[in-house]
This record gives sequence, C-alpha cells and structure tokens, in this order.
Amino acid sequence: QVQLQESGPGLVKPSQTLSLTCAVSGGSISSGVYYWSWIRQHPGKGLEWIGYIYVSGGTYYNPSLKSRLTMSVDTSKNQFSLKLSSVTAADTAVYYCARTSVISPLHFDYWGQGTLVTVSS
Amino acid sequence: DIQMTQSPSSLSASVGDRVTITCQASQDISNSLNWYQQRPGKAPKLLMHAASTLETGVPSRFSGSGSGTEFTFTISSLQPEDFATYFCQQYDHLPITFGQGTRLEIK
Repeated sequence: QVQLQESGPGLVKPSQTLSLTCAVSGGSISSGVYYWSWIRQHPGKGLEWIGYIYVSGGTYYNPSLKSRLTMSVDTSKNQFSLKLSSVTAADTAVYYCARTSVISPLHFDYWGQGTLVTVSS
Repeated sequence: DIQMTQSPSSLSASVGDRVTITCQASQDISNSLNWYQQRPGKAPKLLMHAASTLETGVPSRFSGSGSGTEFTFTISSLQPEDFATYFCQQYDHLPITFGQGTRLEIK
C-alpha cells in the first residue's frame, strides 16, 4: 500500500521560505510512472494545485506561484520536496503531497494526510 | 486557467435522498474531470475519473456524467458516511484546477 507523509515546520515567518518534504513508502519514486504533486488548501476553502515533479527532476509549476517555487526529488531517500519563498499570510494552508499517473487521467490517487503551515510572526 | 464552478456550494439532504452536484468548466475539457470526496480533517479521496469511471471500491450509488463544459455528480441514495465535501477537478489543461467544493450536510 502506497503511503505519503508530509513533514516540515508548522510555523513560518513572513518573508521566509516554507520547506516541506514528502516521504513515499510502499512504492518507488524512481518507477517513472508517476508525477509527484503538491496541493494546498486554505482554511475552509478549496484546493489549489501547486505543481508536480517527475523522477528526472522535470517540473510543472502553477504559474500563480512559479516565481517563488522550487521542487526537488531525492530518489535515494524516496522523497520529494517543496520550497516556497517570500511567504505571506496568504500562504497559510494545509499542504498535501499526492501522486498522479503520468498517463492520463491526471488524477490524485494517493495523498498524504496533510500538514498545516501557518505564516505568522 | 480553466475555472471550475460547482453548484450548489452547500446542500442539505437526508439519508436516502438522491442528490446531484454540477460542475461547469470555463471552456471545453472533453471528459477530463475527476471527483473527490473530503471528510473533515482528512485528505480528499478520489471517487471517479474521466467524468464517469468509478474507482475500485467506490459504491455504485455514486455516478457521474457529462462532457465538454457541463458535468454532474449524483449520489442515488445518501448514506450517513456520504456527508462530506465534494470537489471536481479538471486535467484537460495545465494548471490542474479544482472546483470550490460542495458541502453536503445532514438535514
């Protein structure tokens, strides 16, 4: 059974960089058949897709966040990461990592439990 | 970006009711639509892909239809565990976008 688990600080100061890691178990990131995504949900709101990374390091970033985003993958640890710079209170959200097949349909079949990140001084 | 508009935003219903949620895309997305269920404090769960294909293990009381810009999601007979929030998601054009959600509450 594939499992994803987010980790990282729950509190980040404004203007700093939010850093999260998603550890994958029960399956290999290196299989090459999946994209590895980040999705966030502002409190009480809908879902916003942040972007995805492929095992090769190739990425697609949501244009709304692209200038502040960096994603990376560590195949030796079977995990992938997100960095979002220059955060503001508007970046306060539950952040999820999720898996989607590289073959259509692009649906998120496995998700992490989510981690709340609050941006506050 | 493709805008996904769900209606209603909230809905009150009783166990046994039939309920329908609609999702409208701002442009043609063929059948590139998924549906998710989210319970409070939990991650979304994939219910259906390609507008109408149920995921393995999802009860047959859930169904979906539509193509182009108009889609519907139906629960034929509400069960207590179905009270949750439902989201549509398009994948025809990047960036992937979601509807704002429909909260299904017990009447």
